[in-house]
Amino acid sequence: QQQVKQSPQSLIVQKGGISIINCAYENTAFDYFPWYQQFPGKGPALLIAIRPDVSEKKEGRFTISFNKSAKQFSLHIMDSQPGDSATYFCAADTIGANNLFFGTGTRLTVIP
Amino acid sequence: DTAVSQTPKYLVTQMGNDKSIKCEQNLGHDTMYWYKQDSKKFLKIMFSYNNKELIINETVPNRFSPKSPDKAHLNLHINSLELGDSAVYFCASSPRTGWLMREAFFGQGTRLTVV
Repeated sequence: QQQVKQSPQSLIVQKGGISIINCAYENTAFDYFPWYQQFPGKGPALLIAIRPDVSEKKEGRFTISFNKSAKQFSLHIMDSQPGDSATYFCAADTIGANNLFFGTGTRLTVIP
Repeated sequence: DTAVSQTPKYLVTQMGNDKSIKCEQNLGHDTMYWYKQDSKKFLKIMFSYNNKELIINETVPNRFSPKSPDKAHLNLHINSLELGDSAVYFCASSPRTGWLMREAFFGQGTRLTVV
């Protein structure tokens, strides 16, 4: 079954706007929640990651918000730029299990 | 100085053939993965390999087999290829040496087309 659920499937945002992508999980053993960015023809690359004892992590224009009780986390892209247009994946991992499960992906398009 | 390299980048083959995709990482990581990305961009983990321990996703057909000659290489062998195997296959490696030291570094992918 899908270990990590992600929405929306696609997102169109105006330049300068805020992009928000949401993810949810069930397995409480997950202890690492990264976001990956993938451009066409390339492999995914790590964007930002958070651990479950932190509610928010910010790196530049990218912020992860984490709600442990709801088992949800989200990616916020502030001041979205056309260069941010890509597919974004949330993921979850357990240190002892050696698995990294990905969400279904969100295709973000930022319109100039 | 590519960190994770896969060969070939493109592979077109007929149904029923056997093929291999090679993966090499020069990052010194202990863990390597194979992922399948379908036409809808869904990234599905197929295998992970850490210190000679292989974890297999139970939904992967046994026509797929990973082979690791050494820590830096994890090759993917596919027997009796089927049309549904057409996808982009990604190799990745990760250090997994600490709580936040779990970044997965991906190769550029191998686009497999079965005709």
